[in-house]
Amino acid sequence: AQTVTQSQPEMSVQEAETVTLSCTYDTSENNYYLFWYKQPPSRQMILVIRQEAYKQQNATENRFSVNFQKAAKSFSLKISDSQLGDTAMYFCAFMKHVETNFGNEKLTFGTGTRLTIIP
Amino acid sequence: KAGVTQTPRYLIKTRGQQVTLSCSPISGHRSVSWYQQTPGQGLQFLFEYFSETQRNKGNFPGRFSGRQFSNSRSEMNVSTLELGDSALYLCASSFGPILGTYNSPLHFGNGTRLTVT
Repeated sequence: AQTVTQSQPEMSVQEAETVTLSCTYDTSENNYYLFWYKQPPSRQMILVIRQEAYKQQNATENRFSVNFQKAAKSFSLKISDSQLGDTAMYFCAFMKHVETNFGNEKLTFGTGTRLTIIP
Repeated sequence: KAGVTQTPRYLIKTRGQQVTLSCSPISGHRSVSWYQQTPGQGLQFLFEYFSETQRNKGNFPGRFSGRQFSNSRSEMNVSTLELGDSALYLCASSFGPILGTYNSPLHFGNGTRLTVT
C-alpha cells in the first residue's frame, strides 16, 4: 500500500515571495505518477502539476515547479512569485501506473497543507 | 467545455435514510471516480467506473454503491446513513483509456456536501 505524507499542516508567506511545500511518499512501485492538487474555498480540486516517475526532469508549469527526488521518495512543490489567488489547501497525491490502463487507478492523497498568501 | 458537474451541492439527511448523489463528467470522458473527504480521514477513494463497469473499489462498507450509465454519468448511493458519513463527496472524470506510460489527468467537480443528523 502507498502512503503520502505532508508534514506541514499550515504555511503562510508574503505575496510575491517563494514558498516550498513538502511531500514524501512510500511505495514499492517503480512506475507511478505524482500530483499536486489545489483546493480553494470553492471546494473544487484543481490539478496544479503532474510528474511521471520515469522522467528525471522536474515538471514545471509557469510559477509552479517540483523537486522530484525518486530515491528519497520526495516530491516538493515550489510556488514562485506567490499571488493572493494561490491561497488554498494543497494536496500531494500518488497514483500507481498500470500497464493496461482502461481508466484510472486510485489517487492516494496526503493530509494537505493550508497555504495562506498574505497581502 | 463544461466541467464536471455534481448535484446537489448540499444535502442534509437523517440517520438511517439513504441518499443518491449525481455526477456528470466532462463531455467525452468515460472514467468517473468518487472520493470522500472528511477532516478526520482526509481524502479517500470510494470507487471508479469506466464504460459502465466498476473497475476499482476502495475500503468502504457495502452501504456505499455506485453505477455509471451509458452516457458516462454516474450516481453514488449511500444506504442506512450514519453520522460518520457526513463529508464532502468529490467526483472526478478523465478521458481514459490511455495505454502505455501516460495517464490522463483527473478533473474534479465542486463536490456534494452531505450532512447527516
